[in-house]
Amino acid sequence: DIQMTQSPSSVSASIGDRVTITCRASQGISSWLAWYQQKPGKAPKLLIYAASSLQSGVPSRFSGSGSGTDFTLTISSLQPEDFASYYCQQANSFPLTFGGGTKVEIK
Amino acid sequence: EVQLVESGGDLVQPGGSLRLSCAASGFTFSSSLVSWVRQAPGKGLEWVSTISGSGAITYYADSVKGRFTISRDNSKSPLYLQMSSLRAEDTAIYYCARGPDTVTNAFDMWGQGTMVTVSS
Repeated sequence: DIQMTQSPSSVSASIGDRVTITCRASQGISSWLAWYQQKPGKAPKLLIYAASSLQSGVPSRFSGSGSGTDFTLTISSLQPEDFASYYCQQANSFPLTFGGGTKVEIK
Repeated sequence: EVQLVESGGDLVQPGGSLRLSCAASGFTFSSSLVSWVRQAPGKGLEWVSTISGSGAITYYADSVKGRFTISRDNSKSPLYLQMSSLRAEDTAIYYCARGPDTVTNAFDMWGQGTMVTVSS
């Protein structure tokens, strides 16, 4: 099984800050990586697919990069509505696996 | 409007059984892979199972293999998850999700979730 390791597990940031979350796969997954945002009490929402493609309707301040084993989600200028948990997920092979999550909190 | 609505969550005793349902609307259900993803209280996301559009191919996480069965009725759109031999560690919110999508290879639509509690 492919293990997904996310870091950091939490980050405190202020409005307007640039935030970067990393995700590492235990083996190469090409560009088959997705990023999700989840707010408390809500279902996850797809932000990025295929490592760097922005899902329709997602603000352009979100961006993804990487391939192989190392990936990054960047929020260029943190907005109040971005305080949430973020998860990466490998889509290369079954069993599908998620990272442990990163909680973005208000500083 | 594309929508997924889960139902069937409940409190059940260890060793018991439960069937979850997911009603889909707003897209061609029969041509989509659909999945179940769960989230234990205060924990991260865990993929549970996926079924192909025709229902002929299924995938399971090792943690549920042999105990859970995913199925679908393309004539009526429901997706099902039959759960048996339930354990305390199966306690979670169970989400129905469309995908992995053939274009994005990701879960691009999620239901609101249904809570399953396994406890005596």
